[in-house]
Amino acid sequence: EVQLVESGGGLVQPGESLRLSCAASGFSFSSYWMSWVRQAPGKGLEWVANIYQDGTEKYYVDSVRGRFTISRDNAKNSLFLQMNSLRADDTAVYYCARGGGCTRTSCLFFFDYWGQGTLVTVSS
Amino acid sequence: QSALTQPASVSGSPGQSITISCTGTSSDVGSYNLVSWYQHHPGKAPKLLIYEVTRRPLGVSNRFSGSKSGNAASLTISGLQSEDEAEYYCCSYARSSTFVFGAGTQVTVL
Repeated sequence: EVQLVESGGGLVQPGESLRLSCAASGFSFSSYWMSWVRQAPGKGLEWVANIYQDGTEKYYVDSVRGRFTISRDNAKNSLFLQMNSLRADDTAVYYCARGGGCTRTSCLFFFDYWGQGTLVTVSS
Repeated sequence: QSALTQPASVSGSPGQSITISCTGTSSDVGSYNLVSWYQHHPGKAPKLLIYEVTRRPLGVSNRFSGSKSGNAASLTISGLQSEDEAEYYCCSYARSSTFVFGAGTQVTVL
């Protein structure tokens, strides 16, 4: 069974940093693009970033580029999102999701499994 | 990277069919047959319903179907059931390995 479990959310002040983690199990983690998607309170889903299977390609939504860094550790089946210079409008539930591009063996231009999310609140 | 346009809400009676529209641009929906749809119940993980415009993952009811014409895509739910009450989101690939979601549509079963 595919499982994605996020952790690391919490309350931080504007300008501070936070690192989110996503523990993956039940599939060959190193064979897939992985993504982060967020949902601000009362708002819709927003794609944040994705990363190629070996970590050599990374893409970001304009609003976080330069502040957030997506990374992965295939040996530990883990996905990360380092968030720096956090702003109030980064407040959201952050979801880890499988998918986001083509690998050598398959194309997933969609997100077929999602975690339950972790809440990040940026407030003074 | 502007959000795709969806109606804020759609409602229907049990057994009826409803359609949710999703309008993008020639840079996203119009350029790729890579539209997906998600069902999201509050507090739960979003669930993939449709991918590549019309394809259904294994285990998803055939009451859910997708289509696309030009810069607009649609999700149809037939035989509406109470458990279909949820928020629905469209998503499109939007060049250079980026994605854009719609703002979401709340479906209410009357």
